[in-house]
This record gives sequence, structure tokens and C-alpha cells, in this order.
Amino acid sequence: SYELTQPLSVSVALGQTARITCGGDNIGSKNVHWYQQKPGQAPVLVIYRDSKRPSGIPERFSGSNSGNTATLTLSRAQAGDEADYYCQVWDSSTVFGTGTKVTVL
Amino acid sequence: EVQLLESGGGLVQPGGSLRLSCTVSGFTFSTYGMIWVRQAPGKGLEWVSGVSGTGTSTYYADSVKGRFTISRDNSKNTLYLQMNSLRVEDTAVYYCAKDANYGDPVNWFDPWGQGTLVTVSS
Repeated sequence: SYELTQPLSVSVALGQTARITCGGDNIGSKNVHWYQQKPGQAPVLVIYRDSKRPSGIPERFSGSNSGNTATLTLSRAQAGDEADYYCQVWDSSTVFGTGTKVTVL
Repeated sequence: EVQLLESGGGLVQPGGSLRLSCTVSGFTFSTYGMIWVRQAPGKGLEWVSGVSGTGTSTYYADSVKGRFTISRDNSKNTLYLQMNSLRVEDTAVYYCAKDANYGDPVNWFDPWGQGTLVTVSS
């Protein structure tokens, strides 16, 4: 079965840029979607189709996908961005990444 | 406004059964695929099952195949997850979510319900 690997944690200074990776075999050939989940809350879609932002999601969130790695970039990080982030693809079934905890210092 | 509301969670003994419901509003339910996703305490997201808008196509994770059944009643705007032969490792918050596009649940999911907790314990 298809697997998506994310770093367990990423730390970023307030106002700086964080990059969260999602690794998978030839993931660049798939559509990658990203979700943000804050403690005690349901996941929220922040990026779909590699790089598109749903309405209401700040421009600070962006995405890219190529080769074996997709990346969610969080610019000008704010305290409110602290959360777990998950990537997701479809590969004969829905597959979620292992999740990354983002800490804003 | 699109809304999804799960219900039916609770405490059940190993080997027991439970049926979860997800009642939706704010969109044409029969048009969109839907999924169930679970999250064990302190763990990541795990896709459980999906169903097409018409209900004719269903998908299951290997971990629940043969024990769980996904279905939908489009006349009641409700998605179901029948869970049988429950195991301790099925303990999790169960979320329903709406596919973004028509048809099969093969895209991205937005929005999600608030979740319902299932605890399997003796």
C-alpha cells in the first residue's frame, strides 16, 4: 500500500517560514492535499491539488509538489498556526501522511 | 452553510457493535462522496471507509474490511458506519467528511464533522 512520510515535528520562529514535507513514491504524479488540525478540533483543509488555497485560508499557506516530495510552506508564521498538519493523496484508497506537529517559537 | 454532525459514539465491549451516523445539511447530499476517518488517542488520521454519492461504490481500509459497513440514506441526508466485532484498537474519534467533487470519494475532503468518540473496552 502507498505510504506518505512526514517529519514528526517542525519548529519555526515567530514571523519566519516553516516547510513541512510529505514524502511518497513518485508523489509528484499525484494530487496532494493538506489539512491543519488544532488540539481538540476537526481537521481543516488548507491546500488542495498541490497548491490551491480554499477560500478563507491565508496566502501565507502555499504548497508545491515534485518528484518524491510535496511541501507545505507556512510563511510569516503566527502563534495561531501551531497545529498538526497532514498530507493526503488518493492511491486506490485515501491515504494520509503520518502528521507533523508545528511549533511556533 | 455546509454542516456535518456525527452521533452514535460511546462505550462498547470488545466484540460488540455500534452504528455511527453523520447527518448533513447545506448541500445536495446525494451528489457527493463521503468518507469516515478515525483518530486514535494521540495518533494520526486513519482513513476507514468511503462511499460514492449514489452509494453503489464502497471502499474500506484493510483494518476494518469485513467488520465495518458504510452506507447512506440520501432521502435522510445521513451517512452511516455499522461497526461489528469491535476491537480495543478501534478506539478512536470517528470523523465524517465530504468529498469536494461529485461522485466517488477520491479527491480532497471539506468540511469535516466535529467527530464522535468510540471507546472499546471491557
